[in-house]
Amino acid sequence: NAGVTQTPKFRILKIGQSMTLQCAQDMNHNYMYWYRQDPGMGLKLIYYSVGAGITDKGEVPNGYNVSRSTTEDFPLRLELAAPSQTSVYFCASSVKAGGPSEQYFGPGTRLTVT
Amino acid sequence: GNSVTQMEGPVTLSEEAFLTINCTYTATGYPSLFWYVQYPGEGLQLLLKATKADDKGSNKGFEATYRKETTSFHLEKGSVQVSDSAVYFCALKVNNAGNMLTFGGGTRLMVKP
Repeated sequence: NAGVTQTPKFRILKIGQSMTLQCAQDMNHNYMYWYRQDPGMGLKLIYYSVGAGITDKGEVPNGYNVSRSTTEDFPLRLELAAPSQTSVYFCASSVKAGGPSEQYFGPGTRLTVT
Repeated sequence: GNSVTQMEGPVTLSEEAFLTINCTYTATGYPSLFWYVQYPGEGLQLLLKATKADDKGSNKGFEATYRKETTSFHLEKGSVQVSDSAVYFCALKVNNAGNMLTFGGGTRLMVKP
């Protein structure tokens, strides 16, 4: 079981470039999430998905897009990268809603936009 | 709305010292409460959780008690080790369609030998 995997680990983008952060989980979890973590701050939810074909906005969705074509994969797309998107991005998954089910996190992608 | 407030760090302790990291919350419903830990260069891992008032979550020598009357979930450990150096996040979840967590800002713990 690899759990939640993310690629790449590090990336430097120029302003205006675009990229896709990859996230995959092999635990057959229905729920998946994208967070960003700014220096010294907690995590803020960007987007989440409750199943294949279903996505919804979190707290800070502007400048990002997601898709969920399979249960396993939940890529995050940055269009027209801006310095404000410099952050560490974490993908997470959980088994179901309701109850105290925990979220499992990937190792993160550190993105710098210059 | 929902929010979590943690004491600001960094918290610097000597090995074998007693640890307390304060966490208080506000919630629109009846939340489940969590502590996550983030070791350097890694993602978050669940440390412990509690689902109802007066529940005590415990793991790896860490404990936290769900106090509804004070809306708190303080993290404690009787004797910290250098390997406990990490960032600790308090979080809550109320019943919602997306199983979403609300995180506090995190508290960095540094333990010196």
